[in-house]
Amino acid sequence: DAKTTQPNSMESNEEEPVHLPCNHSTISGTDYIHWYRQLPSQGPEYVIHGLTSNVNNRMASLAIAEDRKSSTLILHRATLRDAAVYYCIPGSSNTGKLIFGQGTTLQVKP
Amino acid sequence: DTGVSQNPRHKITKRGQNVTFRCDPISEHNRLYWYRQTLGQGPEFLTYFQNEAQLEKSRLLSDRFSAERPKGSFSTLEIQRTEQGDSAMYLCANQEGSVGGYTFGSGTRLTVV
Repeated sequence: DAKTTQPNSMESNEEEPVHLPCNHSTISGTDYIHWYRQLPSQGPEYVIHGLTSNVNNRMASLAIAEDRKSSTLILHRATLRDAAVYYCIPGSSNTGKLIFGQGTTLQVKP
Repeated sequence: DTGVSQNPRHKITKRGQNVTFRCDPISEHNRLYWYRQTLGQGPEFLTYFQNEAQLEKSRLLSDRFSAERPKGSFSTLEIQRTEQGDSAMYLCANQEGSVGGYTFGSGTRLTVV
């Protein structure tokens, strides 16, 4: 299973962009890179995922390095509701299971 | 409701009792997963089903734990002879296809007293 490294915590101001980094240097060629976030007392929420190309959706953008050893989740304008733990997870396309790490706790200041 | 539903939301039980949790997934998503999460930690994989077949079980899943998914629809997770260390949030998730995103339920919080 691929290992990930994320900062334990980050802070952002409301309405500003946030770039959440993740290193996954042992990722296999067929693993998708998933990002989930989790609010207290809730299950994880899907944010975005991708394989090689950068991806955009209504929640965020995912920038994947050319060598796929790292990726960055971009929240274009942070809101107070974006305060959560963000998990970066290489996902096996064979089994689909996700191995969660500690994640990054994002604080958003008004 | 098109989400993943878990029942009950909370369960308090005495040590030694058996408990069963239920997960009702999104009907057309054939992969179903169970995770366990303790305070301050990320979710830990327990087991997964492809339709009704249980294809992988974590070493975390001791012989006191059993999961089923009859007919590839809802799933149940049973813990026999509960211990205080079983206290955790138990999460169920569905995956869209084999490479899609997961949808998680809100979880069942188990407290063993």
